[in-house]
Amino acid sequence: KAGVTQTPRYLIKTRGQQVTLSCSPISGHRSVSWYQQTPGQGLQFLFEYFSETQRNKGNFPGRFSGRQFSNSRSEMNVSTLELGDSALYLCASSFGDRGETQYFGPGTRLLVL
Amino acid sequence: DQQVKQNSPSLSVQEGRISILNCDYTNSMFDYFLWYKKYPAEGPTFLISISSIKDKNEDGRFTVFLNKSAKHLSLHIVPSQPGDSAVYFCAASLTKTGANNLFFGTGTRLTVIP
Repeated sequence: KAGVTQTPRYLIKTRGQQVTLSCSPISGHRSVSWYQQTPGQGLQFLFEYFSETQRNKGNFPGRFSGRQFSNSRSEMNVSTLELGDSALYLCASSFGDRGETQYFGPGTRLLVL
Repeated sequence: DQQVKQNSPSLSVQEGRISILNCDYTNSMFDYFLWYKKYPAEGPTFLISISSIKDKNEDGRFTVFLNKSAKHLSLHIVPSQPGDSAVYFCAASLTKTGANNLFFGTGTRLTVIP
């Protein structure tokens, strides 16, 4: 079975721009979660989608948003980029929505200049 | 407020010896715990998990111990191998709440010296 895939792997943007990141979960997995990893804050939960519905959201500003499609693929969007948004964005998928083990993709490294 | 803590940012161990990585948590409602291993430029890889109804789970060279009264879990790697060198994250979740998000520690960098 193919693992979680994320595109693009690397991205450079400038302040004020917006960015869309994509995640394809493991086949059959219906839950997708997004995390931000920074050296200072570690891995922080952004949001979780299950069956196209956002079920849970972390403590991030409204500039961070996401969605999930009927095939379970998910996108996250960050608008009005700030320097502090530079991070590794990780997507994880799991089969259900009851806290099963999550499997991570390789991440998208975003650099905001 | 960090609900999952890994107080040792780094650990060095000789090849063949035991590596013990520690993790503390503050929320007594956590009921599922996981360990992930992460290499640079890759996403975390799931290693082993334990439910709060157990106190030990073993998978090959990896054993996770859970002490609920102390709100402490540990990962033992025996014997340690150079390929085990990576950053290890512990994570916890609140499965009974229906939330599916993981709370992560800040990671411990393990270096296994050949």
